[in-house]
Amino acid sequence: DAGITQSPRHKVTETGTPVTLRCHQTENHRYMYWYRQDPGHGLRLIHYSYGVKDTDKGEVSDGYSVSRSKTEDFLLTLESATSSQTSVYFCAARQGYSGNTIYFGEGSWLTVV
Amino acid sequence: KNEVEQSPQNLTAQEGEFITINCSYSVGISALHWLQQHPGGGIVSLFMLSSGKKKHGRLIATINIQEKHSSLHITASHPRDSAVYICAVRSIGAGTASKLTFGTGTRLQVTL
Repeated sequence: DAGITQSPRHKVTETGTPVTLRCHQTENHRYMYWYRQDPGHGLRLIHYSYGVKDTDKGEVSDGYSVSRSKTEDFLLTLESATSSQTSVYFCAARQGYSGNTIYFGEGSWLTVV
Repeated sequence: KNEVEQSPQNLTAQEGEFITINCSYSVGISALHWLQQHPGGGIVSLFMLSSGKKKHGRLIATINIQEKHSSLHITASHPRDSAVYICAVRSIGAGTASKLTFGTGTRLQVTL
């Protein structure tokens, strides 16, 4: 058990509504990541965090924002959901030293209609 | 061209067969990960390699840094090995956040 939980696990929302996905970890991992997984693509990095209140953009960050006010929580917000953001979202985390493994949450299935 | 290419994309094997999944990458890396994703489920890290070979149970992972290539082998395959296997690399210069670049995965089905 990697101690990473995502919520909600499944959500259907309407275009234009805001959506927040939560990632909670219990292992005091320093680094946390949000990825999206789509058919034909590998996991793509949306945003990541390297500490409390320290975040940066990944390769597909447009339309997404994140916040990390506590070590254990990393929130992903879609300010105004679009159909192109229908995807499976994975949170991941790892400790702060090089060479260590990465742990993933169970995924959040988001459908924007 | 993707930085990380996996082959084959899909693989069907009979129980007991020896399976090889390949990963080629185009950048200098500091580490390579092999991950397993079961249908509808989360993603689990199987191995992290920076050189040589690692073994865990029936799984063996090898890496050749000079050839920019890694293989994941499954010996005596079993239906419970059915999953998507994903290769991911941490490129040199990825920074302290160690961002990973992922392949698109190899879907393995092992039948009785």
